[in-house]
Amino acid sequence: AAGVIQSPRHLIKEKRETATLKCYPIPRHDTVYWYQQGPGQDPQFLISFYEKMQSDKGSIPDRFSAQQFSDYHSELNMSSLELGDSALYFCASSEAVLGKLFFGSGTQLSVL
Amino acid sequence: TQLLEQSPQFLSIQEGENLTVYCNSSSVFSSLQWYRQEPGEGPVLLVTVVTGGEVKKLKRLTFQFGDARKDSSLHITAAQPGDTGLYLCAGVRGAQKLVFGQGTRLTINP
Repeated sequence: AAGVIQSPRHLIKEKRETATLKCYPIPRHDTVYWYQQGPGQDPQFLISFYEKMQSDKGSIPDRFSAQQFSDYHSELNMSSLELGDSALYFCASSEAVLGKLFFGSGTQLSVL
Repeated sequence: TQLLEQSPQFLSIQEGENLTVYCNSSSVFSSLQWYRQEPGEGPVLLVTVVTGGEVKKLKRLTFQFGDARKDSSLHITAAQPGDTGLYLCAGVRGAQKLVFGQGTRLTINP
């Protein structure tokens, strides 16, 4: 069965650079969530989208922005990267009615 | 502050033993989910409990949702080395925003 696809799998950036993370949800899933997981930490909710509209917002810095496109894929844009942004970024998708989240394998972002 | 408190945070036991992991909160959740996460991978959903007092079994794993829907437990019977991993509970709030506990890192020694 198709799963949530995230790209890239690994990303290395320098401070003050920008990064774009992509997420392709499971087909027919219309809700996408972004989570940030620091080393040894639990996943922290950043933002979610339902039917291409932002549905909820968590601890997402102002330097980050995200959107969901007409094909339901989502992109997380990160600017002015800081060392503390180094983390595993997960995308998850769900069918809104069921509410079960399926996670991608994540993008490991390292900011040097 | 952590909305969902998991305990213990670390647990190392011998193969064949039983164990229980707890997930507690002062808040009510519409449902609670349990995930297992391998290093460098995304969390994988194990079970969702929705009704207060609900008990679900997944082979040797038993999940229970508290009557007041504020807490949950995961009990593993006759643990095996393959059960080793990070177990996360997560509560559903609001527009399906999932709030995670800090996780229990379980190690089963052969």
